[in-house]
Amino acid sequence: DIQMTQSPSSLSASVGDTVAITCRASQTISNYVNWYQQKSGKAPQLLIYAASSLESGVPSRFSGSGSETDFTLTISNLQPEDFAIYYCQQSYATPRTFGQGTRVEIK
Amino acid sequence: QVQLLQSGPEVKKPGASVKVSCKTSGYPFVNYFIHWIQQAPGQGLEWMGVINPSGASPTYAQKFRGRLTMTKDTSTSTVYMELSGLTSEDTAMYFCVRLDYFRSGEPFDYWGQGTLVTVSS
Repeated sequence: DIQMTQSPSSLSASVGDTVAITCRASQTISNYVNWYQQKSGKAPQLLIYAASSLESGVPSRFSGSGSETDFTLTISNLQPEDFAIYYCQQSYATPRTFGQGTRVEIK
Repeated sequence: QVQLLQSGPEVKKPGASVKVSCKTSGYPFVNYFIHWIQQAPGQGLEWMGVINPSGASPTYAQKFRGRLTMTKDTSTSTVYMELSGLTSEDTAMYFCVRLDYFRSGEPFDYWGQGTLVTVSS
């Protein structure tokens, strides 16, 4: 199975900050990485697909980068509604595995 | 619009089985695989398995093999996830999700609202 190691597990930031969440795959996976946001009590929502493509309707302050084994989700100008848990996920192979999640909290 | 509507919360005793439904609408049912994801309380997302609505056998994660059965009803565009031999460790939210393999990255683009299964004596 492909392991997705996400870091940090949590971070504190202020409104207006820029934050970065990284995800490392245990083997090369091209650009088969997607990022999701999950708010408390809700289903996750797709933010970024294919490592760097912005899902329709998602604000442009979210961006993704990386390829092969190392990937980054960046949130610029953090807004109050961005405080949530973020997950990376690989679709290169089955089982489709997720990172362990990063909780973004208000400082 | 695309929708995945799951059945309501369940409370089961240890050793019992639970069957969760996921009714899809707004797109051609047979064109998209449906996956199931487990999320234990306060924990992350764990992939359980996938069913191909056009007919091939489902694929299950090793952790659930032998206890998990995924089925479909093409006439109602509904998929089902049945988990047997329940223990307290199966207490979790279960999500059905659609995989969009037409897009690069093959993301999970639509999610059901989740079904909470509680296992308690």
